[in-house]
Amino acid sequence: QQQVKQSPQSLIVQKGGIPIINCAYENTAFDYFPWYQQFPGKGPALLIAIRPDVSEKKEGRFTISFNKSAKQFSLHIMDSQPGDSATYFCAASKTGGGNKLTFGTGTQLKVEL
Amino acid sequence: KAGVTQTPRYLIKTRGQQVTLSCSPISGHRSVSWYQQTPGQGLQFLFEYFSETQRNKGNFPGRFSGRQFSNSRSEMNVSTLELGDSALYLCASSHRDRPYEQYFGPGTRLTVT
Repeated sequence: QQQVKQSPQSLIVQKGGIPIINCAYENTAFDYFPWYQQFPGKGPALLIAIRPDVSEKKEGRFTISFNKSAKQFSLHIMDSQPGDSATYFCAASKTGGGNKLTFGTGTQLKVEL
Repeated sequence: KAGVTQTPRYLIKTRGQQVTLSCSPISGHRSVSWYQQTPGQGLQFLFEYFSETQRNKGNFPGRFSGRQFSNSRSEMNVSTLELGDSALYLCASSHRDRPYEQYFGPGTRLTVT
């Protein structure tokens, strides 16, 4: 059972554009939603995270939008740069579930000049 | 502060053999989690250790096991290797005060032939 669905699978944007990656979850017990960025040959790096008590969080050029009623959240990358080209994963975890992260399937982002 | 380190970075084993992978968490982090990453299944949780105790376990067969030492270093073992065990094995650590912020190492690339 895939508990976190992520789309699109791949995305190409022009430099300066705003790629948007979407995730939907099923388990209403999830209460922590991080996004990870992974470059080839590297482990995932924590980018930004949100909890259900807020609808939006910004850190630098990265913004998470959260819709609790729809059980959806999304990542927006403002003023995207070629250096942002990577695979992005959304994830979810729940209090009492230890530190287990349930990941989405990933989105390969390419930012072209 | 040094990040999560994993050794070895690359490993080639033959079907039927066993393998042990090592993870050293960030200094001060006592929780260590292991994940398997494959193109087909994505990132899947294996298990988590905290203070030398397994706190959570994913849906993997008993051939996959782990342990944690008193210095928080962790090892995972895979016995009777199968071709399908070929994957990137990632270790992540987190601090007790911020358990949801997991920091990943670069992974160990295991190839089973």
